[in-house]
Amino acid sequence: TQLLEQSPQFLSIQEGENLTVYCNSSSVFSSLQWYRQEPGEGPVLLVTVVTGGEVKKLKRLTFQFGDARKDSSLHITAAQPGDTGLYLCASTGTASKLTFGTGTRLQVTL
Amino acid sequence: EPEVTQTPSHQVTQMGQEVILRCVPISNHLYFYWYRQILGQKVEFLVSFYNNEISEKSEIFDDQFSVERPDGSNFTLKIRSTKLEDSAMYFCASSEGRQGTQPQHFGDGTRLSIL
Repeated sequence: TQLLEQSPQFLSIQEGENLTVYCNSSSVFSSLQWYRQEPGEGPVLLVTVVTGGEVKKLKRLTFQFGDARKDSSLHITAAQPGDTGLYLCASTGTASKLTFGTGTRLQVTL
Repeated sequence: EPEVTQTPSHQVTQMGQEVILRCVPISNHLYFYWYRQILGQKVEFLVSFYNNEISEKSEIFDDQFSVERPDGSNFTLKIRSTKLEDSAMYFCASSEGRQGTQPQHFGDGTRLSIL
């Protein structure tokens, strides 16, 4: 079973700051998905990355997939309180099930 | 935008009782999933379902658990004799296809509390 480690576990920053969160695995991802989960809700898909070295942007969010497809990062520029939530990476491996990471809980304050 | 809906949002049950959690997946999706999230822990895969049969299940999904698609719209998870450790958020998800790049769409979950 693939294990996904996310860091940091918790992050509290002020509005306007930049941040990066990481997702690492000991084995290769076939594809990686990033989700955001808010309290009382299910995970919501942000992006899927497939190709090593791939970079995808979603407004102020930049997602990068490592060249070896064993790690990924999510960078948020000029964080806003609306970015607050639990950020999860998830891998599908060779099957359809998602294996989730441990999550990074982000708090953005005014 | 179509969404996955789950009912009830919160279920409180005595230990040993049976519970059925209900999900309505997105209508043109063919693959269905259940996940659970124990408070403070990560989201864990339970089972995937396609073409009216289980495709894959985790070691958590033991004989106490079963899934069913009783009609063309609902997808249910039954826990036959609940235990305290079954208390968790249960999420249903669906996807159009099986390949890893097909996004899974999640419902807002059912919070199951076992007393």
